[in-house]
Amino acid sequence: DAGVIQSPRHEVTEMGQEVTLRCKPISGHDYLFWYRQTMMRGLELLIYFNNNVPIDDSGMPEDRFSAKMPNASFSTLKIQPSEPRDSAVYFCASSLSRGGYTFGSGTRLTVV
Amino acid sequence: AQSVTQLGSHVSVSEGALVLLRCNYSSSVPPYLFWYVQYPNQGLQLLLKYTTGATLVKGINGFEAEFKKSETSFHLTKPSAHMSDAAEYFCAVTTTGTASKLTFGTGTRLQVTL
Repeated sequence: DAGVIQSPRHEVTEMGQEVTLRCKPISGHDYLFWYRQTMMRGLELLIYFNNNVPIDDSGMPEDRFSAKMPNASFSTLKIQPSEPRDSAVYFCASSLSRGGYTFGSGTRLTVV
Repeated sequence: AQSVTQLGSHVSVSEGALVLLRCNYSSSVPPYLFWYVQYPNQGLQLLLKYTTGATLVKGINGFEAEFKKSETSFHLTKPSAHMSDAAEYFCAVTTTGTASKLTFGTGTRLQVTL
């Protein structure tokens, strides 16, 4: 199993640009989570899905952030427009209903 | 609401010494508790978890943790540290099933010296 796959690994973009982060969960996992990690705030849950349906998006910082899961094998996290304070490492994780999380390697986003 | 507190943002031990990383939780219902490890530029990897049953849980890489309800603690230990154990360690809690959203602690960076 290739694990949770995130792309890109690194993204540098200018303020105001649209950024799309991608995640392929482990096949068969029915939960998908998006986390953000910064030095100041640690790990923050942004949103999670169960069977492709968003369950809790209360952690999404503002309307500039959106996430979709069009099918069981793909999810995106979009930031439009991006701001320097969005710079962070974004992790995707997936799990089975009774299992622990498996994290991807993350996307390091830098907004300049 | 559930939460975890990790005591000590940085811990330094000598190679071969005991590793003890502290985690206390707060929960109004029985918790499920986890320890994750993060190596530089990598995602988090599950070390071990407690759900129900035996309170002493063994994980990968020689780590173990004990769930102590009376102390609301879930400390992580390893009898003998190895240089490869240097990483950041996160304690996490959930109360509604092991797939539900985890609440993470702020992390403890473990340094292992010669």
